[in-house]
Amino acid sequence: EAGVAQSPRYKIIEKRQSVAFWCNPISGHATLYWYQQILGQGPKLLIQFQNNGVVDDSQLPKDRFSAERLKGVDSTLKIQPAKLEDSAVYLCASSLAMSGARTGELFFGEGSRLTVL
Amino acid sequence: AQSVSQHNHHVILSEAASLELGCNYSYGGTVNLFWYVQYPGQHLQLLLKYFSGDPLVKGIKGFEAEFIKSKFSFNLRKPSVQWSDTAEYFCAVNAQSGYSTLTFGKGTMLLVSP
Repeated sequence: EAGVAQSPRYKIIEKRQSVAFWCNPISGHATLYWYQQILGQGPKLLIQFQNNGVVDDSQLPKDRFSAERLKGVDSTLKIQPAKLEDSAVYLCASSLAMSGARTGELFFGEGSRLTVL
Repeated sequence: AQSVSQHNHHVILSEAASLELGCNYSYGGTVNLFWYVQYPGQHLQLLLKYFSGDPLVKGIKGFEAEFIKSKFSFNLRKPSVQWSDTAEYFCAVNAQSGYSTLTFGKGTMLLVSP
């Protein structure tokens, strides 16, 4: 079974530039997540999709971050303009379901490491 | 909203030593509990999970965790660690009701020396 695919693996940009990350979840997984992991911290949820609808984007800095999952499959996370504090690993994850008692088993991609200079 | 606290940021052990990593959560309702692991150069993966039933759960590679509801704890244990257990370990929690965000702790970096 193919895992969660992410690209690019690494990206270096200067502040105020823009960047986009792509994620393709495991086939059949309705729920897709973007997490931000800053060095020394645990992953922090940015946005959560159920199919192509947003379920939770309460921690997404909407003035500079945007994400979409137009066809309910793959997803793109964009940052424009980037700030120094956006340097982090951006993790995409997917799961079969996200509501109800037996949830929380996420399958992660390898992440996209962003360095903002 | 729930939160997770992991007691140690770094742990260094020799091979064959016993391991216990602490995890406490804060949430008033019923929760699902997880330990995820990230080996060097690899992606985050599930180590073990607790949904309900027996509070002692066993995961891969000889790891186990015990849910103590009265203490809001879900500590990870392994009786004898190996060099290959060197990794970062994350405790995570989500609420069982509705659409619930999976919230992670800050992680514990375990280094096992041969």
